[in-house]
Amino acid sequence: QKEVEQNSGPLSVPEGAIASLNCTYSDRVSQSFFWYRQYSGKSPELIMSIYSNGDKEDGRFTAQLNKASQYVSLLIRDSQPSDSATYLCAVMGAAGNKLTFGGGTRVLVKP
Amino acid sequence: NAGVMQNPRHLVRRRGQEARLRCSPMKGHSHVYWYRQLPEEGLKFMVYLQKENIIDESGMPKERFSAEFPKEGPSILRIQQVVRGDSAAYFCASFRDRADTDTQYFGPGTRLTVL
Repeated sequence: QKEVEQNSGPLSVPEGAIASLNCTYSDRVSQSFFWYRQYSGKSPELIMSIYSNGDKEDGRFTAQLNKASQYVSLLIRDSQPSDSATYLCAVMGAAGNKLTFGGGTRVLVKP
Repeated sequence: NAGVMQNPRHLVRRRGQEARLRCSPMKGHSHVYWYRQLPEEGLKFMVYLQKENIIDESGMPKERFSAEFPKEGPSILRIQQVVRGDSAAYFCASFRDRADTDTQYFGPGTRLTVL
């Protein structure tokens, strides 16, 4: 079992719709959770961090965390073609020594 | 403020040669992570360094790979006797201190191609 799992996609979303991305993790004592966006050929860019159960909203992005289910998700509202990228879920363990990344979900927003 | 810098941005090596990848963290940052990203895959942790210290190298291959972060100068990831499977993008990320691990800034990466 991979430590952090994501559906590789591609997730095809019409412009203006909501994109929903999911991530599960295996280490129950993980403390910090992150979503990064990575455009092709570029470096990852942090878009959201979440530390406690519930929802966290930032602009068009909402992160949701459920530690009991070991599940974290990202919603992108009013999806734009510029949101087309790979979204990486990352988890920081209790030791705080490293981020463990999922394989990423490729999102395609079609005009 | 200059961001995290990596050089070279692209590096081509033949099998058996050495590759040296450099990472200059953001000003004031004394912690560096190195990650490797194979084509169409996520980032894999390699090593976590603090100036003059290796904190966690659990992601480093046992042979041919080494990393350092000297008191002065950039962090260096060194790959000896490269093989085709080493072809990947190598990213470093820096942050100020242990309390700021959630505020990692990634460099642009070095794309290594082994012929």
